[in-house]
Amino acid sequence: DAGVTQSPTHLIKTRGQQVTLRCSPKSGHDTVSWYQQALGQGPQFIFQYYEEEERQRGNFPDRFSGHQFPNYSSELNVNALLLGDSALYLCASSPLSGRAVGEQFFGPGTRLTVL
Amino acid sequence: AQKITQTQPGMFVQEKEAVTLDCTYDTSDPSYGLFWYKQPSSGEMIFLIYQGSYDQQNATEGRYSLNFQKARKSANLVISASQLGDSAMYFCAMIARNNNDMRFGAGTRLTVKP
Repeated sequence: DAGVTQSPTHLIKTRGQQVTLRCSPKSGHDTVSWYQQALGQGPQFIFQYYEEEERQRGNFPDRFSGHQFPNYSSELNVNALLLGDSALYLCASSPLSGRAVGEQFFGPGTRLTVL
Repeated sequence: AQKITQTQPGMFVQEKEAVTLDCTYDTSDPSYGLFWYKQPSSGEMIFLIYQGSYDQQNATEGRYSLNFQKARKSANLVISASQLGDSAMYFCAMIARNNNDMRFGAGTRLTVKP
């Protein structure tokens, strides 16, 4: 049973460029959340997708957008990259009804570096 | 608003000894879940243990136990018989039933000494 997978593992972009990160949830999970983790900090919630719609959003600008596909996989898009967007981007999946409130399983992350 | 506080930036423990990592939280939602994750240098967040706000007993998972004191709003992680492989960042997190975003603390870096 595959866990949460993310691609690519590492990415280097320059300021002003656009980037797309991808996530495949754990089998049986239909909800995907994205987090940004800056160096030395805890993860910060970006948004959550369920049934192909953005269900909730954290305090991130509109440059951050996402999408969920019918197979529950998801993409995170960031436009007009800034140096401050350099971070580890984590994807987490969860079942709509799970043992725990919001129990989430995380992928290995995509490390984005903006030069 | 939900908030998670971890006041220990770094902790050291001798191999085979027990260690407690502190976590306090704040929420007005009566239904919530508390989580601990381990993050090694590779970056992946590894789920360790979960405690629901209505659970009567403290959660345990192998060498991990959660000391849940609801009135004090604390959810400390206890790791028994520390191993060298336990060296990592540890994050406390919370999610409320009426909110879909998981809030994380700043983390505690645990170093296990041989």
